[in-house]
Amino acid sequence: GEDVEQSLFLSVREGDSSVINCTYTDSSSTYLYWYKQEPGAGLQLLTYIFSNMDMKQDQRLTVLLNKKDKHLSLRIADTQTGDSAIYFCAEGGAGNMLTFGGGTRLMVKP
Amino acid sequence: EAQVTQNPRYLITVTGKKLTVTCSQNMNHEYMSWYRQDPGLGLRQIYYSMNVEVTDKGDVPEGYKVSRKEKRNFPLILESPSPNQTSLYFCASRGTQKGGYTFGSGTRLTVV
Repeated sequence: GEDVEQSLFLSVREGDSSVINCTYTDSSSTYLYWYKQEPGAGLQLLTYIFSNMDMKQDQRLTVLLNKKDKHLSLRIADTQTGDSAIYFCAEGGAGNMLTFGGGTRLMVKP
Repeated sequence: EAQVTQNPRYLITVTGKKLTVTCSQNMNHEYMSWYRQDPGLGLRQIYYSMNVEVTDKGDVPEGYKVSRKEKRNFPLILESPSPNQTSLYFCASRGTQKGGYTFGSGTRLTVV
C-alpha cells in the first residue's frame, strides 16, 4: 500500500532555515499537503501543492516537489520559536484517502 | 466560524463499556473522516464517509463503527473498547480536494 516517510526530528536555531523532507510511494497522488500540529491541538493545514507543480511559495514557506523521486520538502525561512511543532506531510490520491507520514518534530532553539 | 467540533476532549473508560465520540462540522462538507494518532505511527484512517449514508473502511477499522445519518455529523462508536484503542482521535472534514482536511481538536481516549 501507500507509504509516506519522514524523519522523526529536526532541531534548528532561531533565524535559520528549516527543511523538512518527506518521501511517498503513490505515484497517483493528486495533491500533497503539509500540516502543522502544535501541542494539544489538532492538525492545521499549512500549505499544499498540486502534483503537476514543482514549487510553491507562501510567505516564509516554500514547498518543493520532485515527482520523479517522489520527494516533497517544506522549507521554513527565518524559523521562529513559534514554529516548534510536529509537521506532517500527507499525500492525497483518488477519492477520499489521505495517507500521512509519521510526523517530524521541529525544535527551534533560541 | 468554520470548524469541526469533537466531544469529549478527554475520556477515560473501562474495557467493554460502549462509548461514542461525536463529531460535527458546520461547513457543509461532504467528506468526513476519523483518524487515530499513535506515537511513531502518524495518523491512520479508521473510517471515512463520502456523503450521507455512504461510509467505508479506512486502514484500521477493526473495533470501530460509524454512521452518517446527517451531513454535519459523523460519530465514532466503540461497541466494546479495549486497551489497544487507547489513542488520540481526530475527526476531519473536507470540501474540495485542494483544500485538504479541516481537523477537530482531538479526543484523547484511555481504555483501562
